[in-house]
Amino acid sequence: SYELTQPPSVSVSPGQTATITCSGDRLGNKYTYWYQQRPGQSPLLIIYQDIKRPSGIPERFSASNSGNTTTLTISGTQAVDEADYYCQAWDSTSARFGGGTKLTVL
Amino acid sequence: QVQLVESGGGVVQSGGSLRLSCATSGFTFSNYGIHWVRQTPGRGLEWVAFIQYNGNNKYYADSVRGRFIVSRDSSKKTVYLQMNNLRPEDRAVYYCAKEGLASGNWPPRNNYFDPWGQGTLVTVSS
Repeated sequence: SYELTQPPSVSVSPGQTATITCSGDRLGNKYTYWYQQRPGQSPLLIIYQDIKRPSGIPERFSASNSGNTTTLTISGTQAVDEADYYCQAWDSTSARFGGGTKLTVL
Repeated sequence: QVQLVESGGGVVQSGGSLRLSCATSGFTFSNYGIHWVRQTPGRGLEWVAFIQYNGNNKYYADSVRGRFIVSRDSSKKTVYLQMNNLRPEDRAVYYCAKEGLASGNWPPRNNYFDPWGQGTLVTVSS
């Protein structure tokens, strides 16, 4: 089955840039999606179709997708951004999620 | 606003059955397919099932095919997940999620989950 690999954790200082990667075979040929999950909450879509932000998602969230890696970038990270982040793509018959990355803002 | 509210979770013995409900509001129900996705601490997020906007086609993950059945009731704007022959590994928080783009095709390469419900916990005891 198709696998997406994320680092388990990333740490960033407030105001700095956080980068979270997600790798999969030829991932750049697929649309990718990113979800944020704060503690005790359900996942929230923050990036769709590689680079697009839903309305209401702050501009500090951006993403790219090329080769085997999709990357979520959070510029000017804030304490409220501390959460788990999941990448997602579709293979032929199923949605695949990365294992999630816990972003710590310290 | 768009809302999805799951219910029906609980504790069931291995081999038992449970029916989850996903009550929706705030959008044209007949235009959107609905997914079920589950989450466990060990296996993370796992897509489970999908029912198309018109109910004509249903798709399942290999891990649940033949045991779970997804259906929808347009009069109630509700989607159901009938879970049979439950196993301990089915223990998870189950979310329903609306597809982001209306009347999506399969496989929905350009589609996504938006929004998600709050989830309902299913526990299977052995």
